[in-house]
Amino acid sequence: GAGVSQSPSNKVTEKGKDVELRCDPISGHTALYWYRQSLGQGLEFLIYFQGNSAPDKSGLPSDRFSAERTGGSVSTLTIQRTQQEDSAVYLCASNRFGLTDTQYFGPGTRLTVL
Amino acid sequence: SQQGEEDPQALSIQEGENATMNCSYKTSINNLQWYRQNSGRGLVHLILIRSNEREKHSGRLRVTLDTSKKSSSLLITASRAADTASYFCATDAFNTDKLIFGTGTRLQVFP
Repeated sequence: GAGVSQSPSNKVTEKGKDVELRCDPISGHTALYWYRQSLGQGLEFLIYFQGNSAPDKSGLPSDRFSAERTGGSVSTLTIQRTQQEDSAVYLCASNRFGLTDTQYFGPGTRLTVL
Repeated sequence: SQQGEEDPQALSIQEGENATMNCSYKTSINNLQWYRQNSGRGLVHLILIRSNEREKHSGRLRVTLDTSKKSSSLLITASRAADTASYFCATDAFNTDKLIFGTGTRLQVFP
């Protein structure tokens, strides 16, 4: 079946603009995760959804970052008033059973803030 | 701050040699996972080892876990050029909703 998909694959924006990144998890996966990976670095955990709720939002870097999930499926990560330090690859993953289970990753969205 | 630290940061070997990567972490965990990443994009799950397990095998991969030392190792035997990638460990600490990734090891296998 289809894997995790993310859109857009690449996004170039100007500093100060808002961007919205989308993640379509694997059908039936109740858990969804967002990560950020800066160039040459490891993954930084941002937020985790179980169904439509996010038990822990403390990984979001600032109040310019928000995420939502509707219908237990698609999730969007919104970055308001983008800054150059927001430039990174944003990765989404999903699985059935949460943190004790294998995560299936999407290809990521490469965000460049000029 | 990141939970895991991996060493070496980079490793270059010839095809046919074995590659060993190490991961250390800070807090008690439920399980530890290893992932592979090609070209800075999506990660692929390799293997999961639970906190009550000490060793696990999958094909050419061998993972060990020492909870007393809070460390794990990933061994790739008889490496191939196609194994060239970055390898990350990830842990889920008790009482958190986070999966924390290590800093990664960049493996280069020369044909």
